[in-house]
Amino acid sequence: GESVGLHLPTLSVQEGDNSIINCAYSNSASDYFIWYKQESGKGPQFIIDIRSNMDKRQGQRVTVLLNKTVKHLSLQIAATQPGDSAVYFCAEKGENSGYALNFGKGTSLLVTP
Amino acid sequence: AAGVIQSPRHLIKEKRETATLKCYPIPRHDTVYWYQQGPGQDPQFLISFYEKMQSDKGSIPDRFSAQQFSDYHSELNMSSLELGDSALYFCASSHLGLAVTDTQYFGPGTRLTVL
Repeated sequence: GESVGLHLPTLSVQEGDNSIINCAYSNSASDYFIWYKQESGKGPQFIIDIRSNMDKRQGQRVTVLLNKTVKHLSLQIAATQPGDSAVYFCAEKGENSGYALNFGKGTSLLVTP
Repeated sequence: AAGVIQSPRHLIKEKRETATLKCYPIPRHDTVYWYQQGPGQDPQFLISFYEKMQSDKGSIPDRFSAQQFSDYHSELNMSSLELGDSALYFCASSHLGLAVTDTQYFGPGTRLTVL
């Protein structure tokens, strides 16, 4: 079936550096993409979202880029902090695939001092 | 701000027993989603409810059932538990019902351990 997946399972960055987490999706009908952060033992926490009619969206220290041509999504975290250490999931949904989230495999981000 | 509440937070059961997980959505949210997350896995969608009616069904085993009540809280009933049911179970709620861009907010989860 359609899938959403991540390129790298783990990412280690130094505090203060920028982080980039990538995600590929295969469902060309996906309308909406979301990034979630999950800390150990906690539920996924919404970070930022983007609709399919946009290429870029910025939040506080985070930017999501969407390339529909190659079906690629990325999350950029500026000036990464120790508190950013967590597992990051991309997820997608669209009208054709129901309204539930289809999660990709997580990327574990480890921020070292 | 009020968040999604799940109870219990931890649950230990024996094989073949039953379990009931509860979810209380954010006030004024009308849609509830249940997800199962195995160790080191991504969350997998089980089932959802909009305005107390089942709206979508994912990879929910026939041994599981769920419903949404008049106060919008939801319960996931799990019977004939198997070792493989050990996982984190998350409930998420949203406000705009069946809208693609509706943000889902997740609860803290219930960790179910089947022995």
